[in-house]
Amino acid sequence: QSALTQPASVSGSPGQSITISCTGTSSDVGSYNSVSWYQQHPGKAPKLMIYEVSKRPSGVSNRFSGSKSGNTASLTISGLQAEDEADYYCCSYAGSSTLYVFGIGTKVTVL
Amino acid sequence: EVQLVESGGGLVQPGGSLRLSCAASGFTVESNNISWVRQAPGKGLEWVSVIYSGGSGGRTYYADSAKGRFTISRDNYNNTVYLQMNSLRAEDTAVYYCARARGYFDSWGQGTLVTVSS
Repeated sequence: QSALTQPASVSGSPGQSITISCTGTSSDVGSYNSVSWYQQHPGKAPKLMIYEVSKRPSGVSNRFSGSKSGNTASLTISGLQAEDEADYYCCSYAGSSTLYVFGIGTKVTVL
Repeated sequence: EVQLVESGGGLVQPGGSLRLSCAASGFTVESNNISWVRQAPGKGLEWVSVIYSGGSGGRTYYADSAKGRFTISRDNYNNTVYLQMNSLRAEDTAVYYCARARGYFDSWGQGTLVTVSS
């Protein structure tokens, strides 16, 4: 099972919106609505931001939203803030011997 | 409050063994699925293993990189999940996180660093 494909980096100015893509295959992203997104600041543990494609856990800002079309999932951050600068990883349930597959990660920079 | 605390990491020689622990509080490991996820230095996240809840049969699954070398287990009395790692290789060097798994990982520990080096 190969890692999901994400852009290495995405940047935006404060207040702008950015979108991070996450491309898998028909065996993972395309087959299951179990796509999740994680935010990781340097030296910290990952934090769940989106689960089941578009659901937000309690306490996560509504500036974060998720969607999926075919084999590609997306995370959109609206009203970009300095605190959003971090690494972001997507993850999909894969259902085979490797149950979960992560994306390679995207570094978000707030200009 | 849901909390996960990993321990047991350290420096080990290639070919050696290490057992990681993941102590849970605020919920019971018996009724939840627990995964291990690792992150090599400067790299991305990699799923390693999961143990399903007792109600789901307690099944265990492993990434190909862990099969045959790592074993995940659970101690319900101590509310702790373990990862026994044998035949360690340099490429196993990483921070190992445990996380509650529900089709996604909603709670994570702070991680424990495993370094495999001679």
